[in-house]
Order: sequence, then structure tokens, then C-alpha cells
Amino acid sequence: DTAVSQTPKYLVTQMGNDKSIKCEQNLGHDTMYWYKQDSKKFLKIMFSYNNKELIINETVPNRFSPKSPDKAHLNLHINSLELGDSAVYFCASSQETGSNSPLHFGNGTRLTVT
Amino acid sequence: AQSVTQLGSHVSVSEGALVLLRCNYSSSVPPYLFWYVQYPNQGLQLLLKYTTGATLVKGINGFEAEFKKSETSFHLTKPSAHMSDAAEYFCAVSDGDAGGYNKLIFGAGTRLAVHP
Repeated sequence: DTAVSQTPKYLVTQMGNDKSIKCEQNLGHDTMYWYKQDSKKFLKIMFSYNNKELIINETVPNRFSPKSPDKAHLNLHINSLELGDSAVYFCASSQETGSNSPLHFGNGTRLTVT
Repeated sequence: AQSVTQLGSHVSVSEGALVLLRCNYSSSVPPYLFWYVQYPNQGLQLLLKYTTGATLVKGINGFEAEFKKSETSFHLTKPSAHMSDAAEYFCAVSDGDAGGYNKLIFGAGTRLAVHP
């Protein structure tokens, strides 16, 4: 009964490859997010979608492209992977878009680029 | 711009001792403040949040935090540490410049170790 589930849990790939991470939430939430956690555990928002519409787009290389086919899914596609993309990527959801609505996180996808 | 500072990247306490994890924030608007906990190889879980109203906020697992506007602080406490409290703790503030959208700014985290 995982509320926010991400696949895969681990992803090891070589520089230059293209990879995708999938996320699904079964909480009925309207808003979903991608956060990146670097090797020093620092967390930073990348994107946010509300009901399939992009509402937050941080300064992220355009090699990163989120896609939301419906409000329960938010996938992240990364082109031409670089060493610096190695991190843990967390998907999250919240009931509303408002800034007092707490986030529910998935367990993360650890991406290693060699 | 909003920011969060967590004092002490590592805190170690004995089982049964008081837990105090410090968080100071800066915000140009009345802040919404959160504490999240991250266990190894897991995502973050909400411990508690402050939005408006009572400044002493109670959360899960016996944790609480007090919003002190004059000190711009939101420290997390627990009277008696348990071994299962060992984890990474993150303080976060909502970004008041995000047009009302939910954009959290996280502190660097504090790793709590609990020893017998």
C-alpha cells in the first residue's frame, strides 16, 4: 500500500545515456514534485506539477524533462547523463498546491553515473 | 529570500536523554515551518508543521517544536531519546517568493545518533 512509489530504486548507468524514473501516488493528491538530494544530503526542488500542469520549474538543465500523463503520475526523463547527475531523486506529492500542505515522499531513486 | 540553518550536522545523545535539534530560519513573510525525518534508504516523513496559531507544535513519535518569531527559531525537541530516533532530521521553510505554490527550502540536515 505504498503511497508514493518510485521505480527503479537504484539506477547505475554510463555517461551520455538517457534514463527515466517513474513515480506514482495513490493518495489522490493534486500536486507532485521532484526533489534532488546530493551527496551531502542537501535537498532541492526541481519541478512541481499540479493536475498535469507544470507550476514550478527551478533552474535545472533542459536535459531533465518531467512528464505527467495524469495527476497520479510524474515521470522524470534525463538525457545525456553526466557525472554530476549522480544523486538520490525523490518524488513527492501533496494534497494541495498551497505552501502549508505537507509533502509525502517516495523512498527515492539512487542514480549513479559512471 | 528564505533560508534555513540547522546548527550542528551531527548530534549524539544517550538513550533516555533530551533531544534538541536546532533550526533557525529567515523569511520575508510569515513562515510555514516543517520538520521531516529521514531513516536510512527511505524518503522523508513529516514529523510536524507550524502554519498559524499555537506556537508549540506537537508531532509524531513524541517530538515537538516551538516557533519563536523573536528568535527566528523552530527547534525540535523530545524529552527522552529512543534508539529508534536515530535518523537524519531536516528543517524546512516554505518559500514565500513562490507565488503561493508549495516550494520548500530545506536545511542541510542534522544526523541524530542515539547510544545506549
